[in-house]
Amino acid sequence: KNEVEQSPQNLTAQEGEFITINCSYSVGISALHWLQQHPGGGIVSLFMLSSGKKKHGRLIATINIQEKHSSLHITASHPRDSAVYICAVPRSYNTDKLIFGTGTRLQVFP
Amino acid sequence: NAGVTQTPKFQVLKTGQSMTLQCAQDMNHNSMYWYRQDPGMGLRLIYYSASEGTTDKGEVPNGYNVSRLNKREFSLRLESAAPSQTSVYFCASSEGWGQPQHFGDGTRLSIL
Repeated sequence: KNEVEQSPQNLTAQEGEFITINCSYSVGISALHWLQQHPGGGIVSLFMLSSGKKKHGRLIATINIQEKHSSLHITASHPRDSAVYICAVPRSYNTDKLIFGTGTRLQVFP
Repeated sequence: NAGVTQTPKFQVLKTGQSMTLQCAQDMNHNSMYWYRQDPGMGLRLIYYSASEGTTDKGEVPNGYNVSRLNKREFSLRLESAAPSQTSVYFCASSEGWGQPQHFGDGTRLSIL
């Protein structure tokens, strides 16, 4: 069974700062998911990646399969980036059932 | 484009009452999921359906039943609600294995 750990649990930043959120998992996976949960509760899938790096706007996700580690970076952070960021991985290699981290709560102040 | 629609958004029940949470998706997705989210814990999978007519238990299935009525709809039933089932429930769908999941807005359920 996979385990997922995220760090930090809470993060505050000033507008414009570069943000890094980390995710570690314990067993081999097919792909890792990054999701965003808005203050109102809605959950949106940001990235799914199995190797290398993906970029979408100011968000960048990287993964190191050998080290079982992924990072989510936010460049030029903005107050609207304030949310909980959640990492999730499959329970084992060949399944669609996900295990979720407890999330990183990000607050960006103007 | 509605995506994944959950009803109701809020519900208060008394211990022992039953209710069904409804979920429908309009993206023609094969896979559907029910999760619960509790404070301080990550989302946990209750039940999963890979396709119409199939269901599979997740991490925390006890006290719940599901029905994949057709490709669009996946309902979650609490037969005899317990205070431990107070939670926020999310339904999600995806095209299938290895694809991103799309989430509904959630149902906040309180059991007194």
